[in-house]
Amino acid sequence: DQQVKQNSPSLSVQEGRISILNCDYTNSMFDYFLWYKKYPAEGPTFLISISSIKDKNEDGRFTVFLNKSAKHLSLHIVPSQPGDSAVYFCAATVYNNNDMRFGAGTRLTVKP
Amino acid sequence: EAEVAQSPRYKITEKSQAVAFWCDPISGHATLYWYRQILGQGPELLVQFQDESVVDDSQLPKDRFSAERLKGVDSTLKIQPAELGDSAMYLCASSFRTGGVTEAFFGQGTRLTVV
Repeated sequence: DQQVKQNSPSLSVQEGRISILNCDYTNSMFDYFLWYKKYPAEGPTFLISISSIKDKNEDGRFTVFLNKSAKHLSLHIVPSQPGDSAVYFCAATVYNNNDMRFGAGTRLTVKP
Repeated sequence: EAEVAQSPRYKITEKSQAVAFWCDPISGHATLYWYRQILGQGPELLVQFQDESVVDDSQLPKDRFSAERLKGVDSTLKIQPAELGDSAMYLCASSFRTGGVTEAFFGQGTRLTVV
């Protein structure tokens, strides 16, 4: 039962360009969404989140967009840097539950 | 900087043996999670604690897996007997929950290999 889906296993972009990572969810009860970044041999680290009452949240080079009607969210990284190369996980939860469900991840490679 | 501590980092065990993982969450974090991550997949929730109580263990294979958080602080995840399919990264995470959602902080994980 995969409630959170990241259909692109990998993405490669040139340094300085925009990276767009996508995530879809099926459970309409989800109302809070998070992005995590994971480097090899480390645990995931929190990047940015968005509540369902918003459609956009921005933090520096990172912006998350939420389209509730499409059950879709995306993470934009502008400009992309080689240090952004990592696996990015989308996670979703119900606000009062705090039970996070993760997508399979997208491996981002930013080429110098 | 406060962090979630997990041990061991790596564990190799023979199938049918027992194995245990330990997690010490960030001080003051009431919510503790155990996730399993198989290579190429996202983390899968095994069990969620709120203080010492289990909130969700619906995905925990209870015939062989057990988890406890006796004093509401550190936690142990046990597998007995281990099977080949249990080979994965086991991640512990914690969050400070005052109501609603806060982001979870992950430990570095325990890489389990069952041979």
